[in-house]
Amino acid sequence: SQQGEEDPQALSIQEGENATMNCSYKTSINNLQWYRQNSGRGLVHLILIRSNEREKHSGRLRVTLDTSKKSSSLLITASRAADTASYFCATDAQGAQKLVFGQGTRLTINP
Amino acid sequence: DVKVTQSSRYLVKRTGEKVFLECVQDMDHENMFWYRQDPGLGLRLIYFSYDVKMKEKGDIPEGYSVSREKKERFSLILESASTNQTSMYLCASRGQGANEQYFGPGTRLTVT
Repeated sequence: SQQGEEDPQALSIQEGENATMNCSYKTSINNLQWYRQNSGRGLVHLILIRSNEREKHSGRLRVTLDTSKKSSSLLITASRAADTASYFCATDAQGAQKLVFGQGTRLTINP
Repeated sequence: DVKVTQSSRYLVKRTGEKVFLECVQDMDHENMFWYRQDPGLGLRLIYFSYDVKMKEKGDIPEGYSVSREKKERFSLILESASTNQTSMYLCASRGQGANEQYFGPGTRLTVT
C-alpha cells in the first residue's frame, strides 16, 4: 500500500515563482526522500532528510520534515521551465528493506 | 556515475505471450527493484532482490516472477501477458546500507 501521499496532485505556476509540494505518511520512518521524474523517464534522487532532521537545503530545494505530523514539504524556489516534472516523496520505513513511494505531484512551470 | 539500463524503452506484446524485461546495473549494488507505474497510482513495488538468487514479493507480485542469477542483472517475467499489465515498468538498484535508489529509464509495455 502507498504510504506517501502528495498534495497537490498537480500544480501550475509561472516561471520565477516558488513551488511547494507536501507529502504525508503513516508509519515511523528512518528517512524521507524526494525524487523527480521527467516525462516518460526514470526517477532521479533529489534530496534526503533523516528522521532526526527538521530542515535541509540543496541549491534551490528546501525540504522540511515534521515527524509529529508525519509530513514533509518540498519547496523549489525561483522556478524554471526545466523544473517541469513529477515529484515523488518516498519513505524508508524502520525495519523495511524497501522505499514506499507516493503518487506524485505533477508540476508545470509556465514561461 | 551509477548506470541502470533496461533492455527496451518500448515494447508491444500480445495477450498470452511470455515477456522478459531485463535490467542491468553497473555499480555492484546488492539490492534491485521492479516497479510498475500507472496514472493516479504512483509507483508500486512488484518484486525486489537483496542478493543473487534471493527475491522478495512486493505489493503487487501476482502475474509476475523474477530472476536474479547474477548480481548485476534482475529480470522481470510476465508468464502470460494480459492487457491489465500494460504499464510503465521501472527498475532500480541500491547499494547495501545506502539510502538512494537509482532508476533505469523505464520500459513502456503495451499488451494488446
